[in-house]
Amino acid sequence: DAGVIQSPRHEVTEMGQEVTLRCKPISGHNSLFWYRQTMMRGLELLIYFNNNVPIDDSGMPEDRFSAKMPNASFSTLKIQPSEPRDSAVYFCASRGVGTSGGSSYNEQFFGPGTRLTVL
Amino acid sequence: GDSVTQMEGPVTLSEEAFLTINCTYTATGYPSLFWYVQYPGEGLQLLLKATKADDKGSNKGFEATYRKETTSFHLEKGSVQVSDSAVYFCALSYGGATNKLIFGTGTLLAVQP
Repeated sequence: DAGVIQSPRHEVTEMGQEVTLRCKPISGHNSLFWYRQTMMRGLELLIYFNNNVPIDDSGMPEDRFSAKMPNASFSTLKIQPSEPRDSAVYFCASRGVGTSGGSSYNEQFFGPGTRLTVL
Repeated sequence: GDSVTQMEGPVTLSEEAFLTINCTYTATGYPSLFWYVQYPGEGLQLLLKATKADDKGSNKGFEATYRKETTSFHLEKGSVQVSDSAVYFCALSYGGATNKLIFGTGTLLAVQP
């Protein structure tokens, strides 16, 4: 399996432009998560989906951010309009269920991230 | 609510030194506990896990034991290498399709030759 795939890996844009980040989860995983990582704020969960339905979007910073998951194999995170404070690394993760010693647990697999720079 | 607290970094060690990164948690139920590692320029990877009290997770020479009595899941390694330099995240999660991982703030480990 190729793992979680994110594109682009790097994005440089100017303030006010629309930015779209893309994610392809691992086949068979039915939960998908979007995170943002910065030096100042660390790792933040923005939104997550289960079976393509948004479960918790309380981490989405403001209305400029939106996320969709039109099918089980694709998700987008859009920022419109972008601002310099949106500069960060954005990670997508998908989740499968594993078992250990008779107990089940949720294991998240992270993509390599998209480094966004807004000038 | 549930939360994870880990020691502040950075932690700087010489090669072959003993490593401990402390992690404590607050939970209303009985979660699974995890350590994730993030190498420079990469996403997070699962390092080890424990699904119930007294379980010991281990991988790549790292170990952590799920201690319910002290609500802790400290990460240890007997002899670190330069290649272990990374950010380590402690996390908890409940089972179930709609539950999320709750992460600590991460601890940067720098191992010097």
